[in-house]
Amino acid sequence: NAGVTQTPKFRILKIGQSMTLQCAQDMNHNYMYWYRQDPGMGLKLIYYSVGAGITDKGEVPNGYNVSRSTTEDFPLRLELAAPSQTSVYFCASSFLDSRNQPQHFGDGTRLSIL
Amino acid sequence: QQQVKQSPQSLIVQKGGISIINCAYENTAFDYFPWYQQFPGKGPALLIAIRPDVSEKKEGRFTISFNKSAKQFSLHIMDSQPGDSATYFCAASSGGSNYKLTFGKGTLLTVNP
Repeated sequence: NAGVTQTPKFRILKIGQSMTLQCAQDMNHNYMYWYRQDPGMGLKLIYYSVGAGITDKGEVPNGYNVSRSTTEDFPLRLELAAPSQTSVYFCASSFLDSRNQPQHFGDGTRLSIL
Repeated sequence: QQQVKQSPQSLIVQKGGISIINCAYENTAFDYFPWYQQFPGKGPALLIAIRPDVSEKKEGRFTISFNKSAKQFSLHIMDSQPGDSATYFCAASSGGSNYKLTFGKGTLLTVNP
């Protein structure tokens, strides 16, 4: 199993450009999440999804959009990229509502906006 | 508002020593407390987790101590090894589920040989 796969691994964007960060999981997990990680700031939840067709905002959703058309995929869209969105983005997935099941993370997308 | 406060920011320990990382939380509704380990260039991975019905959980060299009245929990790494060098995050969630985790800011642990 590949687990959680994120693409691309690195990307440089110009201010005002848009892009989609891809996330796919092959574990048939219900829940999927997007986090951003800034140095010394931990991980902050951007959006999450409890199943196909259902998404909700996390702590820092401004400037981002998501969709969940299938169980496997959970892309994150950046519109009008801003320097404040320079960060490392992590996608994660987990089974429904089980405290004994961890969130499985991908290896991240490192995004720089110049 | 930072709901999970983690300290120290960084920690240097000699091989064989004990590494201790502390976290404090404010939200009394939190009922699940995992620790994640992250190596450079990788995503975080679950290390160990505890629920508030126990005061301690041990898995190998890793132990979580939990103090419900003080709203604090800590990670102890016994016999620390250079391979333990990583960033450690504490986290918390509520409502009987593992989604919408609130993470601490992380601790960079360096274990010197």
